[in-house]
Amino acid sequence: AQSVSQHNHHVILSEAASLELGCNYSYGGTVNLFWYVQYPGQHLQLLLKYFSGDPLVKGIKGFEAEFIKSKFSFNLRKPSVQWSDTAEYFCAVKELDSGGYQKVTFGIGTKLQVIP
Amino acid sequence: KAGVTQTPRYLIKTRGQQVTLSCSPISGHRSVSWYQQTPGQGLQFLFEYFSETQRNKGNFPGRFSGRQFSNSRSEMNVSTLELGDSALYLCASGRQVESTDTQYFGPGTRLTVL
Repeated sequence: AQSVSQHNHHVILSEAASLELGCNYSYGGTVNLFWYVQYPGQHLQLLLKYFSGDPLVKGIKGFEAEFIKSKFSFNLRKPSVQWSDTAEYFCAVKELDSGGYQKVTFGIGTKLQVIP
Repeated sequence: KAGVTQTPRYLIKTRGQQVTLSCSPISGHRSVSWYQQTPGQGLQFLFEYFSETQRNKGNFPGRFSGRQFSNSRSEMNVSTLELGDSALYLCASGRQVESTDTQYFGPGTRLTVL
């Protein structure tokens, strides 16, 4: 079965620091990859997604992620975080089987706290 | 375009009771997925419906069930509630026409079981 690992459960950074959140998955077939963000008191929102093509994808609010197929990884990065980036970040992997069925598995989430 | 709506937003029940949660997807979306979110387990997939048919089910006991109506609205039912069922239940909708489809999440229903 598919599994998604987010290595850092709680990250604390100062404003302007660089961010990298790790995400690894176990499925060896075709996947679509997502990062979602949940700001305090708000619902899950899509940050960025990878379907195919350029493995470096750019999302909203200056976030980007790189798909490295050989490492089964899809790490999220941002060069300079802001206090408003304080939120919980979820990596998600959609596996695509031959029958056309698509199942989405989420990581446990990483809570990011940015200190002004 | 209106987003995914879930009702009720908050619910308090006691052990042994049953509960029904409702989800209205974005207009035109035919797929609805349900997730349970808890601090310790993160988001766990419950089931997915597409055009009134359940396409997949996660590893939850039979007390958790769902259905989808012809207008794509979906309901989730939990019978014989247990304390451990306290969680945020999220609904997500998508077109699911192509593999590149994206899910859009609702605000969730916060269920507390006493």
